[in-house]
Amino acid sequence: AQSVSQHNHHVILSEAASLELGCNYSYGGTVNLFWYVQYPGQHLQLLLKYFSGDPLVKGIKGFEAEFIKSKFSFNLRKPSVQWSDTAEYFCAVRTGGFKTIFGAGTRLFVKA
Amino acid sequence: DTGVSQDPRHKITKRGQNVTFRCDPISEHNRLYWYRQTLGQGPEFLTYFQNEAQLEKSRLLSDRFSAERPKGSFSTLEIQRTEQGDSAMYLCASSSGGRESHEQYFGPGTRLTVT
Repeated sequence: AQSVSQHNHHVILSEAASLELGCNYSYGGTVNLFWYVQYPGQHLQLLLKYFSGDPLVKGIKGFEAEFIKSKFSFNLRKPSVQWSDTAEYFCAVRTGGFKTIFGAGTRLFVKA
Repeated sequence: DTGVSQDPRHKITKRGQNVTFRCDPISEHNRLYWYRQTLGQGPEFLTYFQNEAQLEKSRLLSDRFSAERPKGSFSTLEIQRTEQGDSAMYLCASSSGGRESHEQYFGPGTRLTVT
């Protein structure tokens, strides 16, 4: 069955530290990849997406993600986190049709 | 506010009762999705509408669950004979057609508690 794995359920960082959140999916065909973020008390919102082309995609607020097809991965990165990045981050994959599969999420807490 | 709206935001019901939730998508979006999210998990796909047609439905959607989108605008999700395991956050999302059709905009969710 298709699945999405996020390796870290909780991450605690100090401000200015670098961030990398892992995401792997299980599907051998064409995929669309997403990272969504949910800030405390807010809706899920799109952070960035990959459909095709350059495997390094840039999103809002300085986030980027790299699609590595051979590793079935789409890791999220940010060189220097801020306290305002405290949120829950979800990796999601669309493999065909209209069904999107989400990972379990990673809760990031950034210490000021 | 022109985003996705959901009503009610919270619902507490007793086991065995029926509940209905409403979702109003972004007005120009013809695609609408329902998800269920439980604590510590990401959203799980339930069903998808394109206009008024329900085109995809998860096996998670048992016979007690039904969703409609009668005029291709708002949608309702009904759960009959609720069970404690139905307690979750029910999320609605919408998207437009075209290449960006897979970028979904989420509503605030309806939190259901079955006692």
